[in-house]
Amino acid sequence: QVQLVESGGGVVQPGGSLRLSCAASGFTFSSYGMHWVRQAPGKGLEWVAFIRYDGSNKYYADSVKGRFTISRDNSKNTLYLQMNSLRAEDTAVYYCVTDTAIYWGQGTLVTVSS
Amino acid sequence: EIVLTQSPGTLSLSPGERATLSCRASQSVSSSYLAWYQQKPGQAPRLLIYGASSRATGIPDRFSGSGSGTDFTLTISRLEPEDFAVYYCQQYGSSPKWTFGQGTKVEIK
Repeated sequence: QVQLVESGGGVVQPGGSLRLSCAASGFTFSSYGMHWVRQAPGKGLEWVAFIRYDGSNKYYADSVKGRFTISRDNSKNTLYLQMNSLRAEDTAVYYCVTDTAIYWGQGTLVTVSS
Repeated sequence: EIVLTQSPGTLSLSPGERATLSCRASQSVSSSYLAWYQQKPGQAPRLLIYGASSRATGIPDRFSGSGSGTDFTLTISRLEPEDFAVYYCQQYGSSPKWTFGQGTKVEIK
């Protein structure tokens, strides 16, 4: 069955960096665009970034543009989110999602705190 | 950028009652690229409705979506105990940049 498993979350100081991974299985990963969506504690959903199936185009929310980089390795069926210059307001559960929106990972928590 | 506004913020209802949730867009949502999600505590969102009115696979028929342009509605015909959750609308248009509403919490009265 389809599985999306995020990893790489944790506690980081403001200004620090973190790389999230999302391991995909059970479907043809290389055929799907992929999103990152986040949810701050007790808050709603916020779209973060999107990458096309072949990595040819990438899109970012204004709140993360210039600080976050989405990428993928289709040979490893893995999606990434490199997060730099982290701020307290980046604290959230980060989900990877297929572009059909049908499949979501379980999320990984990123906490930015000193 | 399209802004989605959901109402009410909280809906207090009893099992068996009908729930009507609203999602209003700041500008027309192209080709009814409007989706609804359900989220329970500690879980990832689950897609319920896409294309404004099409149920996702496995979604019970008590869930229905309607609307077009700027006004959309999610209706739960008879609330089951497992339906008490937070619901989000989302537009996905022609751009891969998604936008979500702020959510409506359906709670037990």
